[in-house]
Amino acid sequence: EAQVTQNPRYLITVTGKKLTVTCSQNMNHEYMSWYRQDPGLGLRQIYYSMNVEVTDKGDVPEGYKVSRKEKRNFPLILESPSPNQTSLYFCASSLTRQENGYTFGSGTRLTVV
Amino acid sequence: DQQVKQNSPSLSVQEGRISILNCDYTNSMFDYFLWYKKYPAEGPTFLISISSIKDKNEDGRFTVFLNKSAKHLSLHIVPSQPGDSAVYFCAASPSGNTPLVFGKGTRLSVIA
Repeated sequence: EAQVTQNPRYLITVTGKKLTVTCSQNMNHEYMSWYRQDPGLGLRQIYYSMNVEVTDKGDVPEGYKVSRKEKRNFPLILESPSPNQTSLYFCASSLTRQENGYTFGSGTRLTVV
Repeated sequence: DQQVKQNSPSLSVQEGRISILNCDYTNSMFDYFLWYKKYPAEGPTFLISISSIKDKNEDGRFTVFLNKSAKHLSLHIVPSQPGDSAVYFCAASPSGNTPLVFGKGTRLSVIA
């Protein structure tokens, strides 16, 4: 089944403790992206990657890092999480031509206390 | 500066009636527009898209209309069903490989 898999689905952590949210896709998509969803703010892009070893900042990159060492994986790294990073996170992938639409993962609900 | 705006945070519609979700945009260079549907605890799923060279695209109960002169698109759902209750995101694709730009979403409630 074609899908984007995120792990974990739920995570509660403490301020300052480094964490990684994994994202993997099995569709050989070139494009991958991370979004966060917050009430009243919709989907805001954190980082995206057009292909292996190519990453770019989205609208809200502060406090996040990403890497794209292989085509299928695009992990999101929070080096020192803070409470304002409590959010619902989505990974997405697509073929380069965007009109095909993104395939989203099921989301990771992160709480930083 | 919001390039894609969904001005109605929520909408309630009776089952069987038409649901109309609206979206406005500011960038005339967008070449594709898409609608996504999101249920709680799930990721958004692609619903329907329309090229900027068309003014209508239909897929079953879902039709998207594009009015380029007004920089406005709308999603019509006919007839509305309780299972359509979800948050709907409008998105626009700039030309080239620039990422999609999303609106803030409209929560649709279809009342039985």
